[in-house]
Amino acid sequence: DTEVTQTPKHLVMGMTNKKSLKCEQHMGHRAMYWYKQKAKKPPELMFVYSYEKLSINESVPSRFSPECPNSSLLNLHLHALQPEDSALYLCASSHEGDSYEQYFGPGTRLTVT
Amino acid sequence: GNSVTQMEGPVTLSEEAFLTINCTYTATGYPSLFWYVQYPGEGLQLLLKATKADDKGSNKGFEATYRKETTSFHLEKGSVQVSDSAVYFCALELGGNNRLAFGKGNQVVVIP
Repeated sequence: DTEVTQTPKHLVMGMTNKKSLKCEQHMGHRAMYWYKQKAKKPPELMFVYSYEKLSINESVPSRFSPECPNSSLLNLHLHALQPEDSALYLCASSHEGDSYEQYFGPGTRLTVT
Repeated sequence: GNSVTQMEGPVTLSEEAFLTINCTYTATGYPSLFWYVQYPGEGLQLLLKATKADDKGSNKGFEATYRKETTSFHLEKGSVQVSDSAVYFCALELGGNNRLAFGKGNQVVVIP
């Protein structure tokens, strides 16, 4: 099983809402990632969890709050977002260490109104 | 810093044509190199990878060879199909730090 699943597939939220994105993998990967992707651009790294601990935060605004409840699950909590936060949010996972490829989920298409 | 450069602009070609997408990199050490493909409305899929010089990655008829002397990892396919229409990203990873550096991507459109 080389699948990373993400829910929901689409999300529309107002600027005062609180919502969460979910990601799951069962490949035994100990590194998990959140990326943001705007149209016609490459993914931009937001957060990395390594062995369930936050190891990289790419200076992401605090209105995005990641959480890694266990080695298979990754959440991204959203609060007071701005319209410019509308994008495709991708989750990925990989083994820890050198040369390991990242496996990406299908993404959540987020629209902030 | 580490970076990847892909050729500018979309690529439009006819079915059964030969495809080449150029990718060059700048890195302080010896990175692992990847090609990812993104079909419309989907996430990224790993297409192929190479972890050391002269390695050739291949998958689904696509190939790329890790060339240290020219710091390149060009993607090729001998005969494209309409189903190969997608965006292709070249990427590198260096030193096991969990960071992928992506190129800007190339939109490939294959016309029947």
